[in-house]
Amino acid sequence: QSALTQPASVSGSPGQSITISCTGTSSDVGSYNLVSWYQQHPGKAPKLMIYEVSKRPSGVSNRFSGSKSGNTASLTISGLQAEDEADYYCCSYAGRWVFGGGTKLTVL
Amino acid sequence: QITLKESGPTLVKPTQTLTLTCTFSGFSLSTSGVGVGWIRQPPGKALEWLALIYWDDDKRYSPSLKSRLTITKDTSKNQVVLTMTNMDPVDTATYYCAHVRSNVLDFDYWGQGTLVTVSS
Repeated sequence: QSALTQPASVSGSPGQSITISCTGTSSDVGSYNLVSWYQQHPGKAPKLMIYEVSKRPSGVSNRFSGSKSGNTASLTISGLQAEDEADYYCCSYAGRWVFGGGTKLTVL
Repeated sequence: QITLKESGPTLVKPTQTLTLTCTFSGFSLSTSGVGVGWIRQPPGKALEWLALIYWDDDKRYSPSLKSRLTITKDTSKNQVVLTMTNMDPVDTATYYCAHVRSNVLDFDYWGQGTLVTVSS
């Protein structure tokens, strides 16, 4: 099963909003509302930021939001902060788990 | 508080078998709805899901690696063990274990990861 497609990099200035896309197929993203997003700072373990497409775990800032349309899921970060600079990975359940290739977010 | 920690060799030779142990606390793998998964990440590359075991001993494997992987659990020790046979330098990666909620199928708690290098 191929990895989900994410842009290699995105950037934004503090206070701005950015959106990271995650494109799959009708067999994964399009079939299940089981898309999750993970934030990973250098040298650290991934952290769950969004689950079931748009739900936030307790303790995650409401600046992080998720959505899905067809075979593409999206993560939006509003009010960018320096601490948001990290790699972001989407993941979809499709009978098994498939991750995206990751997106490096740079806060300018 | 849920915590997980991976342990195992840091260096293995090509063709050898890798055995990694995930020791966890804060939950029991005998509780309905719980699972533990393994995910790896080669240096500078993306995450890749490897295997998962549920509380009821249901096991799932990545199709591309299924022939090389075995996942087991020891509920009494709060441990999950992953074995990967015929290791190759391309298997060099940080290996993570993570707690899984079977109702939402996400990885909500992760271990710190352990770097395994495959080299002769």
